[in-house]
Amino acid sequence: GAGVSQTPSNKVTEKGKYVELRCDPISGHTALYWYRQSLGQGPEFLIYFQGTGAADDSGLPNDRFFAVRPEGSVSTLKIQRTERGDSAVYLCASSRLGLAGQETQYFGPGTRLLVL
Amino acid sequence: DAKTTQPNSMESNEEEPVHLPCNHSTISGTDYIHWYRQLPSQGPEYVIHGLTSNVNNRMASLAIAEDRKSSTLILHRATLRDAAVYYCILREAGSARQLTFGSGTQLTVLP
Repeated sequence: GAGVSQTPSNKVTEKGKYVELRCDPISGHTALYWYRQSLGQGPEFLIYFQGTGAADDSGLPNDRFFAVRPEGSVSTLKIQRTERGDSAVYLCASSRLGLAGQETQYFGPGTRLLVL
Repeated sequence: DAKTTQPNSMESNEEEPVHLPCNHSTISGTDYIHWYRQLPSQGPEYVIHGLTSNVNNRMASLAIAEDRKSSTLILHRATLRDAAVYYCILREAGSARQLTFGSGTQLTVLP
């Protein structure tokens, strides 16, 4: 079946602008994760949804970052007043709920954000 | 999640086995050992996971030391498509669900 999809694949914006990044998880996956990956680093956790609610948003760097998942499927990561330091690849992953230690996450290809 | 240590990089020849090590000396009894890999310009991809016993699947094998303080991901016959960053991650059952990635091992496969 279809995997996790993310749009757009690339986004170039100017400092101070607002951006939205979209994630379509695998159908039936109730858990959804957002990560951010800077060049040469491993992905870093941002936020985790279980259904419609954010179960853990401890990785969001500041209040310019916000994410929603209103119907428990598609999620949107929103960044206000973008800064050059926000430039990174934003990855989305989804999974079926199961024992946390054994859960497999399926990742999308990411959105490459460049803030000029 | 407990910390893991991996070499920054490794090289292998095509069609030869590759053994990717991971040290996790502070692992707890309920930590699962997971491996993900990330091919160039793609998101990470699940490879394999285990708790105590060695595990095999179509992609790789996972050998876990008896004291569980280390593990080795084994690719039986490396191909050029296996060139990727390989991440060893510990996940405790019942703890936070997000993955905590280190910097991983960059595997280069030589033709």
